[in-house]
Amino acid sequence: DAKTTQPTSMDCAEGRAANLPCNHSTISGNEYVYWYRQIHSQGPQYIIHGLKNNETNEMASLIITEDRKSSTLILPHATLRDTAVYYCIVEGNTPLVFGKGTRLSVIA
Amino acid sequence: DSGVTQTPKHLITATGQRVTLRCSPRSGDLSVYWYQQSLDQGLQFLIQYYNGEERAKGNILERFSAQQFPDLHSELNLSSLELGDSALYFCASSAGLAGGTYEQYFGPGTRLTVT
Repeated sequence: DAKTTQPTSMDCAEGRAANLPCNHSTISGNEYVYWYRQIHSQGPQYIIHGLKNNETNEMASLIITEDRKSSTLILPHATLRDTAVYYCIVEGNTPLVFGKGTRLSVIA
Repeated sequence: DSGVTQTPKHLITATGQRVTLRCSPRSGDLSVYWYQQSLDQGLQFLIQYYNGEERAKGNILERFSAQQFPDLHSELNLSSLELGDSALYFCASSAGLAGGTYEQYFGPGTRLTVT
């Protein structure tokens, strides 16, 4: 599986967009980019995933660069409840491999 | 609520003992995954079952075993427990096999404390 690189932590003001970057320069053609988050000690929560095209759902948007070597998760209007650790995972045909993720703090 | 249930929520036991953690996947999901999360190791994949059969193994100790039953619920058995086994254990389920379009849905976890 391709490895990912994420910043250790980020801050975002409440109500602003949170843009979380992820580098996955060794991604292969059939691997998807997944984003999950974990709020405190709760079970990780699926957010969104994509292969090549940008994706949007009710939670977030996923922007994948044309060369697929990096992606950005966008939370359009961050709230205090979005404070969590966000994991970017590249998945091929093996189960999820969680790295250390990005700790996002949303500040009032 | 992800639709995945895990019991018990908390478990406190002594070293050397054996415990069983239970997971019920979302309705219709055929794949079940087990993960361990300890403070110093992060989230680690242990094992995956698909429709009753073991499909993938991660960093699962020989003292640990799992199975998936015909009704698709799964159990994780931990034996000869050591202090280092204290962790959060998460179960997840997905509609199909890992890879591609099948996102995983996680349960609330079981917090195991070994004293």
